[in-house]
Amino acid sequence: AQSVSQHNHHVILSEAASLELGCNYSYGGTVNLFWYVQYPGQHLQLLLKYFSGDPLVKGIKGFEAEFIKSKFSFNLRKPSVQWSDTAEYFCAVNARNTDKLIFGTGTRLQVFP
Amino acid sequence: DTAVSQTPKYLVTQMGNDKSIKCEQNLGHDTMYWYKQDSKKFLKIMFSYNNKELIINETVPNRFSPKSPDKAHLNLHINSLELGDSAVYFCASSQRAPEGETQYFGPGTRLLVL
Repeated sequence: AQSVSQHNHHVILSEAASLELGCNYSYGGTVNLFWYVQYPGQHLQLLLKYFSGDPLVKGIKGFEAEFIKSKFSFNLRKPSVQWSDTAEYFCAVNARNTDKLIFGTGTRLQVFP
Repeated sequence: DTAVSQTPKYLVTQMGNDKSIKCEQNLGHDTMYWYKQDSKKFLKIMFSYNNKELIINETVPNRFSPKSPDKAHLNLHINSLELGDSAVYFCASSQRAPEGETQYFGPGTRLLVL
């Protein structure tokens, strides 16, 4: 069965600090990978996704993620966070050609001015 | 322009009641989903429908019954509500494509069972 692990449950940073959130998945086949963000009290919004091609994908708001197939990882990065990045971040995976999206447990990011 | 909309946004009700949550998408997608987000923010898929046909039915009590009158709508009816049903319910939609599909989420319905 597929599973997704996000090891950082709660991250606290100051503005301008660099961010890296870990995401690892377990599945032997071809996968599609996603990062979603959920701002307080709001719905999930897509930050970025990887289907194929360049393993370094760029998303909205200056976020990027790198797919490392050998490590089954899809870590999210941002060089300089802002207070407005305070939110819950979810990594998600689905096996190619399936509808079922498996989410990680989420990472709560708090950015202080 | 609301892509995926849900009503109501908030729902407070007593144990034992029956309630429905509605979802509509105007993206022209062919697949719709219901997810449950618990108090620890964990998201789990409950159901998915493709062109009004049930595709995914996770281990969900049969008190939960999805209904898809057409491919733009997926409603969730819950019978005999229990305290443990309190959660945020998210609807999502996507369009099947060979390379993969992206799910777009609605604003959520916060259900509180007293």
